[in-house]
Amino acid sequence: RKEVEQDPGPFNVPEGATVAFNCTYSNSASQSFFWYRQDCRKEPKLLMSVYSSGNEDGRFTAQLNRASQYISLLIRDSKLSDSATYLCVVKGPRTGGFKTIFGAGTRLFVKA
Amino acid sequence: NAGVTQTPKFQVLKTGQSMTLQCAQDMNHNSMYWYRQDPGMGLRLIYYSASEGTTDKGEVPNGYNVSRLNKREFSLRLESAAPSQTSVYFCASSELPTGELFFGEGSRLTVL
Repeated sequence: RKEVEQDPGPFNVPEGATVAFNCTYSNSASQSFFWYRQDCRKEPKLLMSVYSSGNEDGRFTAQLNRASQYISLLIRDSKLSDSATYLCVVKGPRTGGFKTIFGAGTRLFVKA
Repeated sequence: NAGVTQTPKFQVLKTGQSMTLQCAQDMNHNSMYWYRQDPGMGLRLIYYSASEGTTDKGEVPNGYNVSRLNKREFSLRLESAAPSQTSVYFCASSELPTGELFFGEGSRLTVL
């Protein structure tokens, strides 16, 4: 079992749609959680951190469920510019050197 | 505002040749990382340096060596390149081990 698992997609959605991605992680001692966005042939960039209480940034909402060991990303009112690969990132505990594990990514295509 | 700078951006090697990927960050970050990204695999950690003077193996260290030259610079060396090392290599840095990763633009390496 991979340490961080994501549905690779692709998700093909029309503009204005709401789309949700999930990610599961195997290490219950994981410390911190992030969603990164990666455009084609570019470097990953932080989209948002994920907090236990859930957090929102404009059209994006991230949630963490420690009991079930998954995190989610909800994108509302999708834009063409949201087309990208979304990477789930999990950082492990101090005892493991804060090991950072990336999911393989979920591809999103938003069409007009 | 340079952030994380990697060189070279593209390189073609023959099997058995050696090369060094250079990385420098100007954000005064303590931690630096080298990842490789292959299709469908996500980013995998090769080596990291939690702070100046320390380096540790990541998930896929075989065939690589690193040097944390100073706080700014972290280089990755391939002593005898193999076709399996064909990949996109990303250097990243973070202020804290638990914090956001900032990535360079990537180095595309092909080993023939």
